[in-house]
Amino acid sequence: GQNIDQPTEMTATEGAIVQINCTYQTSGFNGLFWYQQHAGEAPTFLSYNVLDGLEEKGRFSSFLSRSKGYSYLLLKELQMKDSASYLCAFHRDDKIIFGKGTRLHILP
Amino acid sequence: GAGVSQSPRYKVAKRGQDVALRCDPISGHVSLFWYQQALGQGPEFLTYFQNEAQLDKSGLPSDRFFAERPEGSVSTLKIQRTQQEDSAVYLCASSGEEVGYTFGSGTRLTVV
Repeated sequence: GQNIDQPTEMTATEGAIVQINCTYQTSGFNGLFWYQQHAGEAPTFLSYNVLDGLEEKGRFSSFLSRSKGYSYLLLKELQMKDSASYLCAFHRDDKIIFGKGTRLHILP
Repeated sequence: GAGVSQSPRYKVAKRGQDVALRCDPISGHVSLFWYQQALGQGPEFLTYFQNEAQLDKSGLPSDRFFAERPEGSVSTLKIQRTQQEDSAVYLCASSGEEVGYTFGSGTRLTVV
């Protein structure tokens, strides 16, 4: 079968660092996506990891371990606008399968 | 166009009514996807087209759901005899050479 697990909600403080973890199980795997979705809006692409390791893009970094079925999204220097849902998703057979998302609340 | 366009933005349907949701993908994007997103959940895959060919419809919840993309561009998702459990946001996405999908803003369907 296929499954994605990520925390339902997290809270962090403006200016801090937060790590959102994701574990997945799938019989086929091309890569791991992270998307950001603000309430009432479309998901927007953040990152795509194919190989093991850390990919850094500005304040956001994403890590993948294919052998462990594990990924995380690291957000640094949190800003109020980072309050959103973060969707972990794996890429398989030309389609993307999403998890339920982690709702991140940022406190001033 | 510059982005993925979906219409209508909001749709209220009476239970039992048929609805048609439209998606206009980014020009030149070969692949088009439909997802259903319930409140507080992640998007659930419904179906996928490559040009006009529907390659995967494994996510369509019942035979009341039907999607088409006759000329390989605009796509329509049709739901017949709508039921309350069909209430959700329906997201369309398209992809080309670049990594990842570009999503439209979605159609929020409310069945009353």
